[in-house]
Amino acid sequence: NAGVTQTPKFRILKIGQSMTLQCAQDMNHNYMYWYRQDPGMGLKLIYYSVGAGITDKGEVPNGYNVSRSTTEDFPLRLELAAPSQTSVYFCASSSPGLASEQYFGPGTRLTVT
Amino acid sequence: KQEVTQIPAALSVPEGENLVLNCSFTDSAIYNLQWFRQDPGKGLTSLLLIQSSQREQTSGRLNASLDKSSGRSTLYIAASQPGDSATYLCAALIGGATNKLIFGTGTLLAVQP
Repeated sequence: NAGVTQTPKFRILKIGQSMTLQCAQDMNHNYMYWYRQDPGMGLKLIYYSVGAGITDKGEVPNGYNVSRSTTEDFPLRLELAAPSQTSVYFCASSSPGLASEQYFGPGTRLTVT
Repeated sequence: KQEVTQIPAALSVPEGENLVLNCSFTDSAIYNLQWFRQDPGKGLTSLLLIQSSQREQTSGRLNASLDKSSGRSTLYIAASQPGDSATYLCAALIGGATNKLIFGTGTLLAVQP
């Protein structure tokens, strides 16, 4: 099992550009999540999905969009990049249930200049 | 609104010492409490998960406790090693139907050889 994979690992964007961060998992998890981590801070939930076709906003959704057309993939879209979106982005997945751990990808480090 | 706090923000100890990391949460209505390890530039690795009905969990040299009534969890690391150096994050699970985690800001641990 590859677990949770994310691409790209690093990216530099100019203000106003768009990009999609890719996330895939091969554990057949229903639940998937996108977080961002700013320096010295904990992780903040951007969006989450409880299954294909179902997504919902987390704590900090502004400036982002998601879609979930398959169980495996959960891409995160930045439409008009802003410097405030400079961060490290983590994707995670889990099974349903209160005893289920979340498994994290290696992260994408994004810089917007 | 649930808030999760970790103290201290950073800790340096000599090899072999036993140590305790602290995590506090403001709302006792959590479903579980998870401890993660994060190495520099890497994703998060789940260490221990304590369900709300449990008092503690153990894995090797790690022991995590949970006291919901006081809003506290601790991670005890026995006989620390330089390889334990990392950032340790705790996260409280809220929203049982969606497995949403609220993260603390982490404790950066350095174990000196």
